[in-house]
Amino acid sequence: DQQVKQNSPSLSVQEGRISILNCDYTNSMFDYFLWYKKYPAEGPTFLISISSIKDKNEDGRFTVFLNKSAKHLSLHIVPSQPGDSAVYFCAAIRGGTSYGKLTFGQGTILTVHP
Amino acid sequence: GAGVSQSPSNKVTEKGKDVELRCDPISGHTALYWYRQSLGQGLEFLIYFQGNSAPDKSGLPSDRFSAERTGGSVSTLTIQRTQQEDSAVYLCASSFTSNQPQHFGDGTRLSIL
Repeated sequence: DQQVKQNSPSLSVQEGRISILNCDYTNSMFDYFLWYKKYPAEGPTFLISISSIKDKNEDGRFTVFLNKSAKHLSLHIVPSQPGDSAVYFCAAIRGGTSYGKLTFGQGTILTVHP
Repeated sequence: GAGVSQSPSNKVTEKGKDVELRCDPISGHTALYWYRQSLGQGLEFLIYFQGNSAPDKSGLPSDRFSAERTGGSVSTLTIQRTQQEDSAVYLCASSFTSNQPQHFGDGTRLSIL
């Protein structure tokens, strides 16, 4: 049962344009969401997070949007840079128990072309 | 170093052997997590330690898997009688508290022949 889904396995974007990475979830008990970036042979690196009480969180070039009614979140990267090329994972935390236990999506490979 | 350290970085072993994977969390982090990533899959939660509380073992796939955290710091993940489906990258993460973002190590790539 895949509770966090990233339906696009890959995304290709031109340098300077916007990258939009999408994530859907099925468990309404999730109340905190995170995005991680992963380069080959390295562990995931935390990028940005959002609590379910918000619908937007911005940090520099990265903005995460949360639509609770649609159980959907997205990560916007503007402007995209070649160094952003990596695998992006969204993750969710269920409140109330084992708060730190992350449920991950399958990942989306982002390629930013110069 | 300042980050989460995992060893070994690569491990190749024969089916049926036992393996031990080590994780050194960031100093002062009370929460420690183990995940694994199989080929083409997302990260799968295995086990979670928070301070002196009993660990959350709900993600361990079978009783061949166990983990310890000694002195609230270093953790060891042990897989007994390894099977080919155990082949994966095993990732450790730590956080200051359980409601802070987790910081990951670079993982141990385990290959079972």
